Amino acid sequence: LAKTTQPISMDSYEGQEVNITCSHNNIATNDYITWYQQFPSQGPRFIIQGYKTKVTNEVASLFIPADRKSSTLSLPRVSLSDTAVYYCLVAGYNDMRFGAGTRLTVKP
Amino acid sequence: DTGVSQDPRHKITKRGQNVTFRCDPISEHNRLYWYRQTLGQGPEFLTYFQNEAQLEKSRLLSDRFSAERPKGSFSTLEIQRTEQGDSAMYLCASSPRGGVNIQYFGAGTRLSVL
Repeated sequence: LAKTTQPISMDSYEGQEVNITCSHNNIATNDYITWYQQFPSQGPRFIIQGYKTKVTNEVASLFIPADRKSSTLSLPRVSLSDTAVYYCLVAGYNDMRFGAGTRLTVKP
Repeated sequence: DTGVSQDPRHKITKRGQNVTFRCDPISEHNRLYWYRQTLGQGPEFLTYFQNEAQLEKSRLLSDRFSAERPKGSFSTLEIQRTEQGDSAMYLCASSPRGGVNIQYFGAGTRLSVL
């Protein structure tokens, strides 16, 4: 079963690019990687999902190397409202593993 | 609002009581998931349904926990004989047919066991 690990916290300043990496050494062939954002007292909110290489949408990019043992969420030009906890999820058909989350604090 | 709905948002109960939570998924989502989240941790997978079939339940924390989705629409999670260690946020998520685990979450039910 894939175990996911992430840094506990990160600090950044408004306008900077933030990269958060998740390690998942035991990822299985049919597992996908998904990143979520969570604010206090709310459920996780979907950001981006990928299987391999690079995925980009309107809010983030996701980089997954060829061995898929890690993934990096990239948030361009963060703002104060991006202060939240970010989780990676490695999920297959019958197994879902969230990391413990990275608390991102964006400072003015 | 067409998102995932959970009820109640908050539940306070005394140790030993039974509690039941309800989740209404996004319309036409055929997969439904239950998670538990304790303070400072990521969500912990408990069980999931595809339509009315419960395809994975080995992660339910003990035999005090059970879940149903009788008609393939809403689901309930029941905890019998609650313990203080059951205090947590219980999250429900749903995903569409064919979607590979792009799960959309509700706001959760916060359980406090006194």
